[in-house]
Amino acid sequence: AQSVTQLGSHVSVSEGALVLLRCNYSSSVPPYLFWYVQYPNQGLQLLLKYTSAATLVKGINGFEAEFKKSETSFHLTKPSAHMSDAAEYFCAAGDGGATNKLIFGTGTLLAVQP
Amino acid sequence: DVKVTQSSRYLVKRTGEKVFLECVQDMDHENMFWYRQDPGLGLRLIYFSYDVKMKEKGDIPEGYSVSREKKERFSLILESASTNQTSMYLCASSYPGYGYTFGSGTRLTVV
Repeated sequence: AQSVTQLGSHVSVSEGALVLLRCNYSSSVPPYLFWYVQYPNQGLQLLLKYTSAATLVKGINGFEAEFKKSETSFHLTKPSAHMSDAAEYFCAAGDGGATNKLIFGTGTLLAVQP
Repeated sequence: DVKVTQSSRYLVKRTGEKVFLECVQDMDHENMFWYRQDPGLGLRLIYFSYDVKMKEKGDIPEGYSVSREKKERFSLILESASTNQTSMYLCASSYPGYGYTFGSGTRLTVV
């Protein structure tokens, strides 16, 4: 069964520092991969998605993620953190099939210190 | 933009009550999903539906049922609410192969 692992349930960075949120997936076939962001008391919002086109995917708010098949990873990065980036981030994987079920990681809460 | 609307942001119900959580999407998506979100556990799939009147159990269906009589509406039913069903409930919809669009969530407290 497919699974998604997010390393680090809490990550804290200083404003202006690099953001790196880690995601590894377990799948026998290259999956569809997604990153979502959730602000307090809101639903999840799509940041970016990988669907087997380019391995480096650019998303909204300056975030990007790189698909590395050899490492089964899809880490999320942003060169310079902003206070408004403080939120919870979820990685998800799906097989792209008709039912389009996604498996979510347990989330990483990003804190940005001034 | 696709909109997914959940009828209530906050709900407080008593143990044993039958609870209905409603979700409506406006983009003719075939697939709709109900997840619950708990701290440290991420999102867990309760039920999903890939067509009208079609439904499948997710990972944690016990204590829940669903209804999809129209394509745009997917309802989650707690047959007899219990305190361990206190949680954030998230509805989502999608086309096959695309990311989900989520509603704003319903925070349910069962007392």
